[in-house]
Amino acid sequence: DTAVSQTPKYLVTQMGNDKSIKCEQNLGHDTMYWYKQDSKKFLKIMFSYNNKELIINETVPNRFSPKSPDKAHLNLHINSLELGDSAVYFCASKRTPYNEQFFGPGTRLTVL
Amino acid sequence: AQTVTQSQPEMSVQEAETVTLSCTYDTSESDYYLFWYKQPPSRQMILVIRQEAYKQQNATENRFSVNFQKAAKSFSLKISDSQLGDAAMYFCAYRGFENNDMRFGAGTRLTVKP
Repeated sequence: DTAVSQTPKYLVTQMGNDKSIKCEQNLGHDTMYWYKQDSKKFLKIMFSYNNKELIINETVPNRFSPKSPDKAHLNLHINSLELGDSAVYFCASKRTPYNEQFFGPGTRLTVL
Repeated sequence: AQTVTQSQPEMSVQEAETVTLSCTYDTSESDYYLFWYKQPPSRQMILVIRQEAYKQQNATENRFSVNFQKAAKSFSLKISDSQLGDAAMYFCAYRGFENNDMRFGAGTRLTVKP
């Protein structure tokens, strides 16, 4: 009965590869997010989706693209992976107009 | 842009004692929300407590309470009767009243000594 789930939990890959991280929430929330946590534990928002429309797009490289097939899913695709992409990526969701965000367990991406 | 600052990268407390984690933020908005999140080693982020800026009363959740000073833009978290399970990274977060964006501080690593 996991509320927000992410797969995979760990992802190790080579530079230049293309990879995807999946996120699913079973809470009936209407807004989903992707965050990047860097090596200094700083969390930065990357994307936000509300009812399948992108409403926030931070200044992230266009190698990153969120894709939301439906309200319950927000997947993160990363093309041409770089060393600096190594981080933990968190998915989160919330229900408008409430403020609390529920986070997934995170995906640790390591680019070699 | 709103910024959130946690000036204590690491803190430690003796079991059963009280510890206070600091957080300051910068904003030009009058209405907003503040949160404290806990991130244990399993990496699952857990909401600990939240505060609406328009409420003067400090939020309390069991052993967790906040000291919200709106004029000083300060939002500290007090953990009373610390337990070993409280050991984790703690993140202070800010969200504007109408903005979905959530800004996080860099985090404070709390160690609880038995």
